[in-house]
Amino acid sequence: GAVVSQHPSRVICKSGTSVKIECRSLDFQATTMFWYRQFPKQSLMLMATSNEGSKATYEQGVEKDKFLINHASLTLSTLTVTSAHPEDSSFYICSAREAGTDTQYFGPGTRLTVL
Amino acid sequence: QKEVEQNSGPLSVPEGAIASLNCTYSDRVSQSFFWYRQYSGKSPELIMSIYSNGDKEDGRFTAQLNKASQYVSLLIRDSQPSDSATYLCAVKELTGGGNKLTFGTGTQLKVEL
Repeated sequence: GAVVSQHPSRVICKSGTSVKIECRSLDFQATTMFWYRQFPKQSLMLMATSNEGSKATYEQGVEKDKFLINHASLTLSTLTVTSAHPEDSSFYICSAREAGTDTQYFGPGTRLTVL
Repeated sequence: QKEVEQNSGPLSVPEGAIASLNCTYSDRVSQSFFWYRQYSGKSPELIMSIYSNGDKEDGRFTAQLNKASQYVSLLIRDSQPSDSATYLCAVKELTGGGNKLTFGTGTQLKVEL
């Protein structure tokens, strides 16, 4: 089956630092990757859609200068949370859509805690 | 505003019973529908996709789609305690969505011994 990995799985950082999260599709090419955020006991919130080789499309209310997304290859997308603050603490999940299909496969998520 | 509605639950069923999870959507032209399972603290995992009216069976799971009534459901037969999770319904936007999915808020299922 389609496997998506994320790294790191958990990160704790000080306020003001930047954190990079990697999302990889291991056994398929992902023309589109998505980044979600999920707060406790809430549903998934789409942050942005990332297409390989082009700029990401951000959802309303998501600061593109704070959440930098790069999708440089068909198997790798990165999300960088710049100048993280405690309110950015959340569960960040990526998903990847296999080329030619509608199905999204999710990575295991990254739990970010900003102190 | 495209919406996907689910009853948040919790839905409690005894072990061995059939669990029925329902989802309605507002965008009449939606074409692709998905059910994901999410355990507490974990990311969603795909259970089933369905694209045509009718039933689609995969093991203990059956997805049902009725486009005229704009609902999609998931039946879990012989429910097990390990099925206890939150089930997310997702609908793919047909136009202008860039292949993104709209998720419901999820239904929490509890299978009791």
